[in-house]
Amino acid sequence: DSGVTQTPKHLITATGQRVTLRCSPRSGDLSVYWYQQSLDQGLQFLIQYYNGEERAKGNILERFSAQQFPDLHSELNLSSLELGDSALYFCASSGTSYNEQFFGPGTRLTVL
Amino acid sequence: QQPVQSPQAVILREGEDAVINCSSSKALYSVHWYRQKHGEAPVFLMILLKGGEQKGHDKISASFNEKKQQSSLYLTASQLSYSGTYFCGTGGGTYKYIFGTGTRLKVLA
Repeated sequence: DSGVTQTPKHLITATGQRVTLRCSPRSGDLSVYWYQQSLDQGLQFLIQYYNGEERAKGNILERFSAQQFPDLHSELNLSSLELGDSALYFCASSGTSYNEQFFGPGTRLTVL
Repeated sequence: QQPVQSPQAVILREGEDAVINCSSSKALYSVHWYRQKHGEAPVFLMILLKGGEQKGHDKISASFNEKKQQSSLYLTASQLSYSGTYFCGTGGGTYKYIFGTGTRLKVLA
């Protein structure tokens, strides 16, 4: 158990809908990262927050947005969902300047 | 650019050794290694820092060649539990975090 929690574990929705994924980092970690992993593919970096501020951005679609709240939990919002958005979404947290990532269990999103 | 890992896949018998390489076209300041089992989250294994400092897993070792922008992960006397996909990763801070292309490792009894 990494100490990072993600909810929900599974999400099934329809095209065009909007969903929110939630992540709570390990106690004391200020950095939260979001990743997308499509079936049998690698991990694609979406966005990073540090203590409430956006710090780095990857290939995150304009339909996707995220934020980190004062209590350090983070939410990833996905809107106008398409079939191709079906994937595992992981968040990870990091608490040191070495930036090693500790991952949550992931949210499996299925868009029908 | 994404670090390239080699080999892409490897099959071992229990007790055999394996080496997984990670090469970057950009300067590496630190390299992290992860293992991901199918359907599960990646698990942090080890960090390699500039200057040779290493932190992480007792049963797996790694090297980091800053000049060649490469890192290698050494798995010795492999066990069934070593099966999974191994990723190197680098970045963070104000930089994008990037994972390597991945190496699938399968250990057979």
